[in-house]
Amino acid sequence: QVQLVQSGAEVKKPGSSVKVSCKASGGTFSSDIFSWVRQAPGQGLEWMGRIIPILDIANYTQKLQGRVTITADKSTSTVYMTLSSLRFEDTAVYYCARVERSSWSNNFYYYMDVWGKGTTVTVSS
Amino acid sequence: DIQMTQSPSSLSASVGDRVTITCRASQSIGGYLNWYQQKPGKAPKLLIYAASSLRSGVPSRFSGSGSGTDFTLTISSLQPEDFATYYCQQSYSTPLFTFGPGTKVDIK
Repeated sequence: QVQLVQSGAEVKKPGSSVKVSCKASGGTFSSDIFSWVRQAPGQGLEWMGRIIPILDIANYTQKLQGRVTITADKSTSTVYMTLSSLRFEDTAVYYCARVERSSWSNNFYYYMDVWGKGTTVTVSS
Repeated sequence: DIQMTQSPSSLSASVGDRVTITCRASQSIGGYLNWYQQKPGKAPKLLIYAASSLRSGVPSRFSGSGSGTDFTLTISSLQPEDFATYYCQQSYSTPLFTFGPGTKVDIK
């Protein structure tokens, strides 16, 4: 059973950066895919990006392109999300999630089946 | 970019009611549609994947249907623990995902 344990809450100044970690256990880290999703207070879910650790390939939502970086450390089974040039509107709970895939009829279906508990990032002056 | 909409944005219902939530994509996404449930202060939980596949362990009162641009999540008999916000999410444009804005289900 895959479990994802995220790092603790952060308070950051506008313009600074934050790095949130997500340590996976119970699965095959290198062959998995991991996404980051955030949720601003009282708002919906926003997908930020994903990484495939075995390929070291990351993809990002266009909205955050240039400010978000997702990396993976295969030696510690940990995924990281770094968000730079922080703004007040980046205040949110940040979740990591494992992306599972099922296939039939030559189609691959992707979904986020295991989630971390979330990390609160507050941007405040 | 594929945009997702949900209706209604919120609804009030009673225990035992049949509840239907609709999700619409801005273009055809085949069956690449997932549903999640989120309770306040908690991480989302996967309910349905590939439009109609019930995740193992999820009660059978939850069901999903649809393909192309229009999808529905149905709760056949609403239970007290089902009061939550429900999100659809498309994976057609993998690696890029998009969530719908959510539908809040609360107690009438």
